[in-house]
Amino acid sequence: EIVLTQSPATLSLSPGERATLSCRASQSVSSYLAWYQQKPGQAPRLLIYDASNRATGIPARFSGSGSGTDFTLTISSLEPEDFAVYYCQQRSNWPPEITFGPGTKVDIK
Amino acid sequence: QVQLQESGPGLVKPSGTLSLTCAVSGGSISSSNWWSWVRQPPGKGLEWIGEIYHSGSTNYNPSLKSRVTISVDKSKNQFSLKLRSVTAADTAVYYCARDLLVGATTRDAFDIWGQGTMVTVSS
Repeated sequence: EIVLTQSPATLSLSPGERATLSCRASQSVSSYLAWYQQKPGQAPRLLIYDASNRATGIPARFSGSGSGTDFTLTISSLEPEDFAVYYCQQRSNWPPEITFGPGTKVDIK
Repeated sequence: QVQLQESGPGLVKPSGTLSLTCAVSGGSISSSNWWSWVRQPPGKGLEWIGEIYHSGSTNYNPSLKSRVTISVDKSKNQFSLKLRSVTAADTAVYYCARDLLVGATTRDAFDIWGQGTMVTVSS
């Protein structure tokens, strides 16, 4: 099983600041990594797939990078609606399994 | 615009079977997407339960495999989850989700989610 670790657990920032979230895999996942945003009471929303591709309708302030075992989600300038929990997710092909990281909460400082 | 809607009992007794259905609207379950179930215990993170293709092929989370069955009903454009021998640890919001396709290739990411349904295991 590939384990995803996210850091930090909580990130306290102010609107307008840059957010840098990390996701580390226990073994290489190539570029097959996705990022989601989840707000209270809502389903997760896909932000990034294949490590760096923005999903449809996602603002350009969200960007993803990395490959292998180390990945980063960057929010260039936080908007009020960006305060939420962010999860990374990968799929391994054998055995076929999908795992999520434990999440990073971005809250208002 | 594809939409997903979960339905099923909100309360299940311990040792019983949790049964949920995900109705697909605005598109066909026979498209080239995989369809998954994901759950989230209160205040905790996301856990993938398993997935199904319209052909009936399935993959399951190894930690749940012995208790899970996912099936598809193409005539009703829906897929279903059964989780047997439930305990309080299975209390969660259950989501159905669609795997993203870019061109004809799955991208192993979930682009469409249902709103989720809360299931509580309690006597």
